[in-house]
Amino acid sequence: GQQVMQIPQYQHVQEGEDFTTYCNSSTTLSNIQWYKQRPGGHPVFLIQLVKSGEVKKQKRLTFQFGEAKKNSSLHITATQTTDVGTYFCAGWASGTYKYIFGTGTRLKVLA
Amino acid sequence: DADVTQTPRNRITKTGKRIMLECSQTKGHDRMYWYRQDPGLGLRLIYYSFDVKDINKGEISDGYSVSRQAQAKFSLSLESAIPNQTALYFCATSAGLAGGPSGDTQYFGPGTRLTVL
Repeated sequence: GQQVMQIPQYQHVQEGEDFTTYCNSSTTLSNIQWYKQRPGGHPVFLIQLVKSGEVKKQKRLTFQFGEAKKNSSLHITATQTTDVGTYFCAGWASGTYKYIFGTGTRLKVLA
Repeated sequence: DADVTQTPRNRITKTGKRIMLECSQTKGHDRMYWYRQDPGLGLRLIYYSFDVKDINKGEISDGYSVSRQAQAKFSLSLESAIPNQTALYFCATSAGLAGGPSGDTQYFGPGTRLTVL
C-alpha cells in the first residue's frame, strides 16, 4: 500500500544548529501538510503545500514540495529548544480517499 | 485544539471488555477521523467519515467500529479489547471541500491513552 517515510527517524542537535527532515511518498500526493507534535501533545498543523515545486517560509522554517509531488522537506534554521517535538508530513494520495501520515521525525534540541 | 474534545483522556481496561471512545467537535466540520499512534509508527488511520451518512475504513480498521451520531460526534468502539490495542488514540476533523484550499487541514483532539491489560 501507499507509504510515506520520513528520514531521519530521530535527530539530536545543539541549539543554534540547523535541522532538516525529509518526507518521501511511494505515491503522488495531491497536496502535503506538515504537523508538529510536542511531547505529550497532539499534532498541530503548521503549513500546507499544494503546487509542484512550491516553497513556503514561516520565520525560521522553510518547507518545500517536490516537483513530482512525491517528496517534501522541512528545514529549521538555528534551532531553539522550543522546536523540540515530532514533525509529521501528511497528505492525500492522488486520486484516492487515502490520507497518509509520514512516520515522523523526532527532534531533540540540546541547550 | 480546544474545539475538538475526546473522552475519556485515559482508560485502563481488561482483555475482552467493550470500550467506547468519544469525540466531539464544535468546528462545524463535516469530516472526522480516528487515528491510532504507536511509538515509532506515526499515526495510522482507523476510520474516517466525510459526513453523517458516510463511514469508511482506514488502514487498520480490524477490531474497531465507529458510529457518527451527528455532524459533531464520532465515536470509536473496541468490541472486545486486546492488549495490542494499547495505544494513544486521536480524533481529528477537517472542513473538506467546504474549507476551500484549507479544507485538508486536520485539527486534532487531545488524545485518549488506552491501556488493555
